[in-house]
Formats: sequence, C-alpha cells, structure tokens
Amino acid sequence: QQQVKQSPQSLIVQKGGISIINCAYENTAFDYFPWYQQFPGKGPALLIAIRPDVSEKKEGRFTISFNKSAKQFSLHIMDSQPGDSATYFCAASKGGSEKLVFGKGTKLTVNP
Amino acid sequence: GAVVSQHPSWVICKSGTSVKIECRSLDFQATTMFWYRQFPKQSLMLMATSNEGSKATYEQGVEKDKFLINHASLTLSTLTVTSAHPEDSSFYICSAHPTVDTQYFGPGTRLTVL
Repeated sequence: QQQVKQSPQSLIVQKGGISIINCAYENTAFDYFPWYQQFPGKGPALLIAIRPDVSEKKEGRFTISFNKSAKQFSLHIMDSQPGDSATYFCAASKGGSEKLVFGKGTKLTVNP
Repeated sequence: GAVVSQHPSWVICKSGTSVKIECRSLDFQATTMFWYRQFPKQSLMLMATSNEGSKATYEQGVEKDKFLINHASLTLSTLTVTSAHPEDSSFYICSAHPTVDTQYFGPGTRLTVL
C-alpha cells in the first residue's frame, strides 16, 4: 500500500528527444505527487508536482501527466538536453506536507 | 527560493564514535523536518519525522536509540548517529516544507565510518 513503483530503471535518450518516466501507486490516500531530480552527491531538487484534481501540469520542458483511475503518473521531459542527465525520483504523500514515499529512481542519460 | 542547509557536507569517523548532523531551514520556519538515508545507487528511505518541541517519529526498523533526533528550534533539527559502525556509512539527507506542496531537500551529508 505504501509503495511507489517507478520505471524504467535507466533510460538513454538522444539530445532533443523526449524522456518519459512512469510511476504507479497503490495507496488511494496519496494526494500529492512530486518529481525530484538528483545529481551525484547532491540532495534531490524539486522539479514539479501535481495534485489528483488535474490531469496534467507543465512547467517549461517538464510535464506531469496524471491518471487517477489507473493510479499512474508520468514525467515527460521535452527537448532533452545533456544537462538533464541525472537520476529522477517520483514520490507520493498524503498531503503536501507529509512524509514522502519514493520510487526507486530512473537514471537518465541524454547523449549529445 | 526556500533553502535547506546541512552541516557537515561530509564526515569520516572511526567505528564506535558518535556523529552529529545538522539540518537548518535558512529562510523559513519548519515545525516538521524529515530525515532520509540513501545508499549508493538506491532510493531515499525515510528514517524519521522530526517534530519541533516533541519527540521524533521513527519509521519501522529504524533504531531510535542509535539515530537520535533533536528538533530544538523552528529552524534546526539534528541527527546524531551514536556508536557509528561501517554499516551506518551512507548519505543522509533532510527535508523541510516552507509551504504545503513544496518540500525541499538539503544538500546531504556523506558519512563514512572506518
């Protein structure tokens, strides 16, 4: 009930391509779904987050798509750049101020 | 934007010693902070929720007597790893939320126990 399943484990994309990372959850009490970007040796940085009352949220090149009935959400990175190469984590919590449950992460490599 | 800092950024200690890690919210007050542990190439695992003015709430399987948490003020939480052993070597990260729907992480502390 507390798990967040993330896929793929690793992803290689060419510069300019679209990177797509998927997550699924089971606990219907989750109502806050953020995505974090982490570079080696650094803390995670909040990229974008969504609540279940919307199906999509876009900020710059980053878009979250949310499917409440399927209990799935995904991160799309448009026009992927080598600087986007990092590990991405999806997460979920019961409320935007509560403890986060993280997916296992996706290592994204964007080739020049 | 909101900033969470940690000190030290890295520490090396001998087995059996205790190590204190500080987490500070620099431009906001945080009644709640979270402590996570991350092993190499793995995800973040929540260790405990730090509550200002009251006892921390530990996740199942986390030894509260080994990982002492003190949230003495609205801007500072400390994690003390007592009698550290090599298996405690990890990346420790704290987080706090200045507002609802924004949870920020500190830069992390790399602990190496020899």
